[in-house]
This record gives sequence, structure tokens and C-alpha cells, in this order.
Amino acid sequence: EDKVVQSPLSLVVHEGDTVTLNCSYEVTNFRSLLWYKQEKKAPTFLFMLTSSGIEKKSGRLSSILDKKELFSILNITATQTGDSAVYLCAVDDSGTYKYIFGTGTRLKVLA
Amino acid sequence: DTGVSQDPRHKITKRGQNVTFRCDPISEHNRLYWYRQTLGQGPEFLTYFQNEAQLEKSRLLSDRFSAERPKGSFSTLEIQRTEQGDSAMYLCASSAQGAGELFFGEGSRLTVL
Repeated sequence: EDKVVQSPLSLVVHEGDTVTLNCSYEVTNFRSLLWYKQEKKAPTFLFMLTSSGIEKKSGRLSSILDKKELFSILNITATQTGDSAVYLCAVDDSGTYKYIFGTGTRLKVLA
Repeated sequence: DTGVSQDPRHKITKRGQNVTFRCDPISEHNRLYWYRQTLGQGPEFLTYFQNEAQLEKSRLLSDRFSAERPKGSFSTLEIQRTEQGDSAMYLCASSAQGAGELFFGEGSRLTVL
């Protein structure tokens, strides 16, 4: 059965720290991996990684995809309190129509 | 606002009652998804529409759950004879054909007493 596993489940850091969030997956027909940020509302899109785009960067956030080892990481440098959220990883399996989400990593950044 | 909109945002109901949620996707998006999210968990897939066709349903979607997208635009999710275990956030998302990104609505939070 397809699955997406994120680690750690939660993380507490201080402002200015760098964090690395992990996402491993097992799907039959991988098409893409997506990262979302969820505060107290709907998930908002961060990155999409595919075979043709295995590294993305936006400001202090960056992500890479390792298709051989079936995982992705999301890095956040110089963390700020506004980065506090749940970070969700989702995988699109082209053999189905659904995106499979992990449980998420809850990040808390202390001032 | 041209994002995904959901209504109502909050619904409190008594066990055994029926509830219906509505989702209006981004207008040019032909793909529509319903997900359910409980506290501390990631979104769980419920069902998927491409235009008006319901192409996939999760095993989680018991016979008390039904979803429609009659004209390929807005969608409704109905839960009949609600149970306390149905309490969750119901998220709707849409995407364009061939694109990967899902755009989520704010969600409809259901509390079953």
C-alpha cells in the first residue's frame, strides 16, 4: 500500500536555527512530491518536485528529492517565529488520482 | 476572491443528523478533491472528480458519505446519520488538468455531538 512517512513528528527550535524535515515514500508510480505549510487553516503550497526538478529553493526554504532512495527533505534556514506550522509532504501516484499525505511535522520556533 | 471556497466553515450537529458541505473550486480547474483531516493527522483522501465524473473513492467513504459535482463546477459532500467519529475538518482542493499543485479551501469543520 502506498504510504508517506514524515519525521520528526514535532520539533522545537529557536529563532535563527536551521531545520531539516524528512519525507520518505513508497508509491507504485511516482509522479511528483509536494510540500505544504499548514497553519491554523488550509495547507498552502511550497514546492513541487518531479523527476525533472529535484531541487527547489525559495528564500530561506529549499527542498531536494532523492528518487533513488525515495525521500525528500525540506530545509529552513534562519528560522523565524512565523515559520511555526505543520509541514506536510504529499506524493502524487500517477496510477491513482489521489495525493497521499504524510502525518506532517509540527515545527515550533521560539523567539 | 478567486480561490477555493467552502461553506459552511463550521458545523455543529447532533449524532444522527445529516450534513452537507459545499465546495466551489477555482473556476478553470477541472479536478476537484475532498480530503478529511483530524487533529494531528495529515489529510486523508476521500474522493476525486474530473469535471462531473467521480473517478475515485476511498474505502474510508462509507455508504453514509456521498459526493457530487453535477455540472463539473461546485461540489457537495453529504454525510448521512452522522457519528461522533465523523468529527473532522473536511478539506476541498482543486487543480488544473496536467498541473501538480493542489489549491486548498479553508475547510469545513464538523463537530458531531
